[in-house]
Amino acid sequence: EAGVTQSPRYAVLQEGQAVSFWCDPISGHDTLYWYQQPRDQGPQLLVYFRDEAVIDNSQLPSDRFSAVRPKGTNSTLKIQSAKQGDTATYLCASSRDWVQNTLYFGAGTRLSVL
Amino acid sequence: GDSVTQTEGPVTVSESESLIINCTYSATSIAYPNLFWYVRYPGEGLQLLLKVITAGQKGSSRGFEATYNKETTSFHLQKASVQESDSAVYYCALGDPGNYKYVFGAGTRLKVIA
Repeated sequence: EAGVTQSPRYAVLQEGQAVSFWCDPISGHDTLYWYQQPRDQGPQLLVYFRDEAVIDNSQLPSDRFSAVRPKGTNSTLKIQSAKQGDTATYLCASSRDWVQNTLYFGAGTRLSVL
Repeated sequence: GDSVTQTEGPVTVSESESLIINCTYSATSIAYPNLFWYVRYPGEGLQLLLKVITAGQKGSSRGFEATYNKETTSFHLQKASVQESDSAVYYCALGDPGNYKYVFGAGTRLKVIA
């Protein structure tokens, strides 16, 4: 089966610019996660979905970040006005259900904000 | 909140030597956390190495093993004899089966030298 696909692989922005990240999870996986991973740190949860519903977005900087999964399949994470502190790798992961109990990660999008 | 602390890297070990990467967790809001080790090999995405969902049990994969110790809130990763191909970044994580949420440690970079 195909893995989790993310695009773009890299993005370089000036502060104040907007950027969108796209994620295509493994087919049939109902839960989708977005993580932010700053350099030399572990992944930190931003938001996750069960099908099209947001389950927890409490760690998402809501004034500049937004995430959607309108049909319960693909998802988009958007940063409206990027800051240098947003420099990180953005990881998408999916899982089928808790019985499977395994996250499958995409390759990530490496963002640099200058 | 819930957190994971692991050995700060980088860790350098000679080939055929033994390895232990420490992991301790705090699960104040999770009654029965599940514990995981994920790994990122050079040029690859994060992937599951092993998992244990029941306290007192041991998980193993690729020669690595880890025991879920609820008394000491630890889940140390061990290998008796490392190989150069084990060079990677290792992440300890805990999962909440109640809300499908995962918390990751900062990661430990392992370098195995010949």
